[in-house]
Amino acid sequence: KAGVTQTPRYLIKTRGQQVTLSCSPISGHRSVSWYQQTPGQGLQFLFEYFSETQRNKGNFPGRFSGRQFSNSRSEMNVSTLELGDSALYLCASSPPGTGMNTEAFFGQGTRLTVV
Amino acid sequence: GENVEQHPSTLSVQEGDSAVIKCTYSDSASNYFPWYKQELGKRPQLIIDIRSNVGEKKDQRIAVTLNKTAKHFSLHITETQPEDSAVYFCAARGKRAGNMLTFGGGTRLMVKP
Repeated sequence: KAGVTQTPRYLIKTRGQQVTLSCSPISGHRSVSWYQQTPGQGLQFLFEYFSETQRNKGNFPGRFSGRQFSNSRSEMNVSTLELGDSALYLCASSPPGTGMNTEAFFGQGTRLTVV
Repeated sequence: GENVEQHPSTLSVQEGDSAVIKCTYSDSASNYFPWYKQELGKRPQLIIDIRSNVGEKKDQRIAVTLNKTAKHFSLHITETQPEDSAVYFCAARGKRAGNMLTFGGGTRLMVKP
């Protein structure tokens, strides 16, 4: 079974630009979550999508948005990039089911550098 | 919302010694507590998890304990090896929070040969 795939792996953008990152979950997983990882702030939750609906949202400005497609693939978009958006963006997918059996599997991440 | 604190932020041990990392959480409704290991340049990988209906879980050299009353949980690594060197993250998930995980700040573990 293929793991969680994120593209691209590396990205360099200029301040003010916008960027779209992609995440393909493990086959059969319907929940996709996004996290921002920085040296100073650790792993911060951005949002979670389940069956094309945003189920949870973290404390990030409206410049950060996402969506999920019917095949469970997800994209996140950051508009008007700022230097502070430089980070590793990780997505995680979780198997279907409710209750306690919800392990999260991470992709390798997209390293975004804003210059 | 949930808040998870993790200590220490760095931990250095001699090979063969034990390492203990502690986390506290704020939401008494949280019911799932995973631990992730992240090696340099790699993705976080689940090493062990515990659910709120058990107090302890062990997997070879790794164990996790949970104290629901005090709202804290700990990772114990025995007989540490150089390949245990990595950043370890604890996390908590609440029953009403979908699959959202709230992470601790991470612990950089260094095992000296």
